[in-house]
Amino acid sequence: GENVEQHPSTLSVQEGDSAVIKCTYSDSASNYFPWYKQELGKRPQLIIDIRSNVGEKKDQRIAVTLNKTAKHFSLHITETQPEDSAVYFCAASIGSSASKIIFGSGTRLSIRP
Amino acid sequence: KAGVTQTPRYLIKTRGQQVTLSCSPISGHRSVSWYQQTPGQGLQFLFEYFSETQRNKGNFPGRFSGRQFSNSRSEMNVSTLELGDSALYLCASSRGENSPLHFGNGTRLTVT
Repeated sequence: GENVEQHPSTLSVQEGDSAVIKCTYSDSASNYFPWYKQELGKRPQLIIDIRSNVGEKKDQRIAVTLNKTAKHFSLHITETQPEDSAVYFCAASIGSSASKIIFGSGTRLSIRP
Repeated sequence: KAGVTQTPRYLIKTRGQQVTLSCSPISGHRSVSWYQQTPGQGLQFLFEYFSETQRNKGNFPGRFSGRQFSNSRSEMNVSTLELGDSALYLCASSRGENSPLHFGNGTRLTVT
């Protein structure tokens, strides 16, 4: 069935180190993969997205990679800062029409000072 | 540009009652999606509307329904409320397929 699995569920890294969050998806027709950051008590906000015709995308300290063959995609945050502490959600579009986006279960990232 | 607006922000209802939540999308966005967020289940897809048509529905019982108006505003309704319906209900709008979702602040529903 339609599923997006996300690991790990919690992640604690030292400030300045890198953090990696991994997701897998089940629908081979998925072609849009956004990542959202949700701070405590706030709405989820898009931080980066990637489409299936691209293998990697970077935006300053954030990068996302996509392996369509393996149905894997990952979020990489380098030089982590205290303000990176939040819950991160990966997501994938479902079906060729991409009008349905389903989310992974989330990763709570904590940055240790 | 105004963001996605959801009303009300908080609701307290009793089991068996029904509730209607409202969502006004960003101007120009024709797609509206609804999600249920709970601590244990993350963000669960409820349904998506585009040009007043429901294009997709998640795995929720028929007690959950929605609609979209000609101005793209959307409402969702939950009938015969159960304790397990307590959650944050998030609405998100987008321009359409493969476009980023922009979320509202949500409506927190508590069922007692």
